[in-house]
Amino acid sequence: QSVLTQPPSVSGAPGQRVTISCTGSSSNIGAGYDVHWYQQLPGTAPKLLIYGNNNRPSGVPDRFSGSKSGTSASLAITGLQAADEADYYCHSYDSSLSAPVVFGGGTKLTVL
Amino acid sequence: QVQLQESGPGLVKPSETLSLTCTVSGASIRSYYWSWIRQPPGKGLEWIGYIYYSGSTTYNPSLKSRVTISVDTSKNQFSLKLNSVTAADTAVYYCAASFGSGNWIDPWGQGTLVTVSS
Repeated sequence: QSVLTQPPSVSGAPGQRVTISCTGSSSNIGAGYDVHWYQQLPGTAPKLLIYGNNNRPSGVPDRFSGSKSGTSASLAITGLQAADEADYYCHSYDSSLSAPVVFGGGTKLTVL
Repeated sequence: QVQLQESGPGLVKPSETLSLTCTVSGASIRSYYWSWIRQPPGKGLEWIGYIYYSGSTTYNPSLKSRVTISVDTSKNQFSLKLNSVTAADTAVYYCAASFGSGNWIDPWGQGTLVTVSS
């Protein structure tokens, strides 16, 4: 049971737009802590995709964007490509008695 | 750029201690907080803990009783020890860098699979 809740899977056709939600609580996202997103391609380590809610590291296409509102955050991917098929994880800080570093359970993106 | 490389045994017997080392290149060990994160096969990410170069540590409460993370500034390395392992500890173990609890994690090592089996 992850502290941050993500849908197990999402899918979309090439060129379409998909969003992945990340729902937290008043001890993490709702408390104002930043949300970060990672992309994990099959057989590889996670790679930073979005940091500080809506910032892209150098080299990440602007097809990827993040947003945050209340106790939730979202990752949007536009112009879907086959290469985007991967697992996506959200991450935030939690101030409760759980671990301070918390991840979502991950979302598998399938490009149809 | 910062690069991390995990090393250690890929097979550990139940009830024994899992030991891994992460070698940091391209940056001083004094520059970041250094984390261990694991991923059981087919499952999600679990943060184990992190250490600062001063030796200050923070652990996941669910693993705290079995985990020790240490740092060797002279070798630009940090290490993980997880004792009394069971099959549930079988996972890919990643070392990674961050600027603290609330900050993003980047970069990550390539990961190393540790299997707990007799």
